[in-house]
Amino acid sequence: QVTLKESGPVLVKPTGTLMLTCTVSGFSLNNAKMGVSWIRQPPGKALEWLAHIFSNDEKSYSSSLKSRLTISKDTSISQVVLTMTNMDPVDTGTYYCARINPYYSMDVWGIGTTVTVSS
Amino acid sequence: EVVLTQSPATLSLSPGERATLSCRASQSVSSYLAWYQQKPGQAPRLLIYDASNRATGIPARFSGSGSGTDFTLTISSLEPEDFAVYYCQQRSNWPPRWTFGQGTKVEIK
Repeated sequence: QVTLKESGPVLVKPTGTLMLTCTVSGFSLNNAKMGVSWIRQPPGKALEWLAHIFSNDEKSYSSSLKSRLTISKDTSISQVVLTMTNMDPVDTGTYYCARINPYYSMDVWGIGTTVTVSS
Repeated sequence: EVVLTQSPATLSLSPGERATLSCRASQSVSSYLAWYQQKPGQAPRLLIYDASNRATGIPARFSGSGSGTDFTLTISSLEPEDFAVYYCQQRSNWPPRWTFGQGTKVEIK
């Protein structure tokens, strides 16, 4: 069974840095046809893709957020980490990680983790 | 960057009716389009990939069509569990980047 689980702080201060971890099971981060993306959703709003990491460690970022994002992975412990710098209250929302399948679709999602940016 | 526009924003229908949701891309995305369903408090669920292929376990009442810039998700006969928000999503060729539409809410009339 393929699962992904997000973890990280519930509350982040403005200007601070957010670090989120996605722990995967049921597939390998070395699988040539798989990858992991991060997606977020502000309360009551649409989904927004943030970043992606491939099995060969290539990375792709949202054009609008690229300067603030870093994605990395540790295959040995099946984790993908996303850091986002200079957090602002508008970054409040639910953050999801999802597996990207060979058809470049997000076929398995974590349950999400809620992040609030506030002083 | 490709912008996806979904219409209508809200669709009010009764169980058993047919739902037709539209997604229009600002430029051609070939067939690189997926559809997701999201219920309140839940993560999205993949329904359709590559414009017309149903994901594993998705009922046959869900179908997708289109290519280029115009796409449609059809639910042939709405079941009570189908009332939700639906998002289309495209990916650029290389480097892959994904964008979502703003969503269509299918609500009970």
